[in-house]
Amino acid sequence: DTEVTQTPKHLVMGMTNKKSLKCEQHMGHRAMYWYKQKAKKPPELMFVYSYEKLSINESVPSRFSPECPNSSLLNLHLHALQPEDSALYLCASSQESRRNSPLHFGNGTRLTVT
Amino acid sequence: AQSVTQLGSHVSVSEGALVLLRCNYSSSVPPYLFWYVQYPNQGLQLLLKYTTGATLVKGINGFEAEFKKSETSFHLTKPSAHMSDAAEYFCAVSEWVQGAQKLVFGQGTRLTINP
Repeated sequence: DTEVTQTPKHLVMGMTNKKSLKCEQHMGHRAMYWYKQKAKKPPELMFVYSYEKLSINESVPSRFSPECPNSSLLNLHLHALQPEDSALYLCASSQESRRNSPLHFGNGTRLTVT
Repeated sequence: AQSVTQLGSHVSVSEGALVLLRCNYSSSVPPYLFWYVQYPNQGLQLLLKYTTGATLVKGINGFEAEFKKSETSFHLTKPSAHMSDAAEYFCAVSEWVQGAQKLVFGQGTRLTINP
């Protein structure tokens, strides 16, 4: 069982749809992350929130919009996606955003854009 | 920028045999290194980490890794493979970017266990 919960597990959306991915952790962690993973590839960082403030945006297209309403929740709002955005989206958290603080991952949302 | 290189995208061993997954890093500062495992249709699970201190690090599921600064390596080993070890393994290094941690992953090694 993972302590980082992601919903939904699977999502199919058209290119004109708006949807949101949700992530929740109750470990008291103050840093949260979004990663994107394509098939047979390593995860690639998208965003980092530290103490509910956006710290890193890895030049992600604006059709992906992150939101951190509080220290336990992280959302990723999706709009006008492309088929190449289909991937596994992983949320993670760490105690703090420090180099020695390991990340705890959720099981991901598998997104298919049609 | 820091990076890790995993040698061998696919490793196959027999059940009960030694598992050795190779990882070399490149870092201009003392590295913080991690090994993660990913089972099919799941997220990543932390196996072990090296930050400071003892260079031989023990992790979960019988895995361990040794940090060798002279060789810039952090290879993962397990003395006796079990069928349940079949998975994708990622080595990662932690960077400090724009005031936050960024975990940079290697390309991954798929471990297959033969009965």
